[in-house]
Amino acid sequence: GIQVEQSPPDLILQEGANSTLRCNFSDSVNNLQWFHQNPWGQLINLFYIPSGTKQNGRLSATTVATERYSLLYISSSQTTDSGVYFCAVNTGGFKTIFGAGTRLFVKA
Amino acid sequence: NAGVTQTPKFQVLKTGQSMTLQCAQDMNHNSMYWYRQDPGMGLRLIYYSASEGTTDKGEVPNGYNVSRLNKREFSLRLESAAPSQTSVYFCATAARQGIGQPQHFGDGTRLSIL
Repeated sequence: GIQVEQSPPDLILQEGANSTLRCNFSDSVNNLQWFHQNPWGQLINLFYIPSGTKQNGRLSATTVATERYSLLYISSSQTTDSGVYFCAVNTGGFKTIFGAGTRLFVKA
Repeated sequence: NAGVTQTPKFQVLKTGQSMTLQCAQDMNHNSMYWYRQDPGMGLRLIYYSASEGTTDKGEVPNGYNVSRLNKREFSLRLESAAPSQTSVYFCATAARQGIGQPQHFGDGTRLSIL
């Protein structure tokens, strides 16, 4: 089946720094989502982005479907950005596969 | 506007006990999903329901059963709980199955089995 790999696995930032999180996938996908899981365990939709670029405030995402990767950019990071960022891909039908996540800690 | 509501939020069971996790949504979505999340890992699909009246197995269905009671509700049952089922369980919904529909998640049920 499709493999979803996220990097880096862990990331520590100083507040105000920028970062790029990467999601590689091994096969064609129909859609791709980025989620943020906050320290309380809630999963928050960030982007639905099967291709192209989207921006929402300090966050933006780019998916290059032909090269099978997606990037999540966080600019001017804040302590509230801490948590785990998941990439999830859908290959058609019901099957959504999650990556293992990138654990981000932003220091004040 | 509740979105996806899961009950209970926390539960401790003894090995062999049974338990039903409830999920209700008010978004009029057709598809509903149950996932489990183990420490340090992403989510894995247990069962899904593409629409009212249908259910199908996901990646890790063993030890679980589901019921799509109506369009709003999708329950997950553990008939004989085992310690390996200690996990956080998430319910999710999507307007349609599969292509093009983002998923929306409940806050999770944290289940411990002793």
